Amino acid sequence: EADIYQTPRYLVIGTGKKITLECSQTMGHDKMYWYQQDPGMELHLIHYSYGVNSTEKGDLSSESTVSRIRTEHFPLTLESARPSHTSQYLCASTPQGRGVTQYFGPGTRLLVL
Amino acid sequence: SQQGEEDPQALSIQEGENATMNCSYKTSINNLQWYRQNSGRGLVHLILIRSNEREKHSGRLRVTLDTSKKSSSLLITASRAADTASYFCATDADSNYQLIWGAGTKLIIKP
Repeated sequence: EADIYQTPRYLVIGTGKKITLECSQTMGHDKMYWYQQDPGMELHLIHYSYGVNSTEKGDLSSESTVSRIRTEHFPLTLESARPSHTSQYLCASTPQGRGVTQYFGPGTRLLVL
Repeated sequence: SQQGEEDPQALSIQEGENATMNCSYKTSINNLQWYRQNSGRGLVHLILIRSNEREKHSGRLRVTLDTSKKSSSLLITASRAADTASYFCATDADSNYQLIWGAGTKLIIKP
């Protein structure tokens, strides 16, 4: 099991609410990622970070934002949740370098009513 | 953009049989990885094969890579009920060192 944690695991929330999905890793990895995945479908990269104070948008346009103030912490925020944000959100991390494994958290399942 | 495509999309076999999944990709790669995802969970890394390797084994897993055909296969021998999961291939080809993911193969092992 990888030392990467996501909270909450499940979240049901009303439209218009602000939410923050937490992701923390204790492996000292520099690179971290957020993916969005609908059930049974492929992963879509929405944000990534190469290290502290580094954040980049991924291939899939997302209304969410991220921050990386500490190496171990990479939270994702939705300022105003909508039903279209309903999905599973997966956080992952890797050490620096190419061709290395991504370690995934257990995911957060978000349902916006 | 998604580079990898898994085939088949879904596979259902009896326990004890072998399961083979295929992955095709479009551009040159540095390496290709296979991951497993149990229902509703995060992904777990299974095996990595580099572009200069043709075959790799790990326990009951055997991965092949054919760079001329831009394809890879994952073979699970003597399948078990616990192997029921979705299997994804991912390629490391992007200049930003991102992994590019396929859509996955859903494997069901019937007891």
